[in-house]
Amino acid sequence: DAKTTQPPSMDCAEGRAANLPCNHSTISGNEYVYWYRQIHSQGPQYIIHGLKNNETNEMASLIITEDRKSSTLILPHATLRDTAVYYCIVRSDNYGQNFVFGPGTRLSVLP
Amino acid sequence: DTGVSQDPRHKITKRGQNVTFRCDPISEHNRLYWYRQTLGQGPEFLTYFQNEAQLEKSRLLSDRFSAERPKGSFSTLEIQRTEQGDSAMYLCASSFRATTHLLLGELFFGEGSRLTVL
Repeated sequence: DAKTTQPPSMDCAEGRAANLPCNHSTISGNEYVYWYRQIHSQGPQYIIHGLKNNETNEMASLIITEDRKSSTLILPHATLRDTAVYYCIVRSDNYGQNFVFGPGTRLSVLP
Repeated sequence: DTGVSQDPRHKITKRGQNVTFRCDPISEHNRLYWYRQTLGQGPEFLTYFQNEAQLEKSRLLSDRFSAERPKGSFSTLEIQRTEQGDSAMYLCASSFRATTHLLLGELFFGEGSRLTVL
């Protein structure tokens, strides 16, 4: 079972920041938070991951709370092409552990 | 394009027929995964290989399903005696078994093979 809880859907206005929350209250010390997204009819695409510190790359920023029980993925200037299902996953650094996907959050970026 | 490729992209078959899907991973990746995805759900893990060894199988992988990766490169997923409940998107992903925390083996997915069983 997925170890995360996400809202089923969210809307965001084009050009605004999209903030996607994720709860992972049972996360353990060696588990990372990963975000993937899936645009319609495509395979999931890696976005970002982090352990404790906030992370930023060219696609997004990941803010992890100090107690690590929740996180937020931020798309700073959402575009119509960011409309997708966003999955938050926790996974340990055991290389044998697999990615367990929940139903994710369906983000709709509106013009 | 050096990404993960899957073939065929779409397959329509009649119940009871056998189908086979092929996945060509990113060439330097030693891990290969199969996932299944039904409408409105996230991908569900089926099985994974490290090189040619099949290291884990989900209980979703019934005895009608078999996966192989004979030379540690491409992989095939065969479904025998298909049922309507097998209709889904079958996703392949590959990753590199890294030795540092900088690369935790993030998954690179293909476009998927969509199966429709009539």
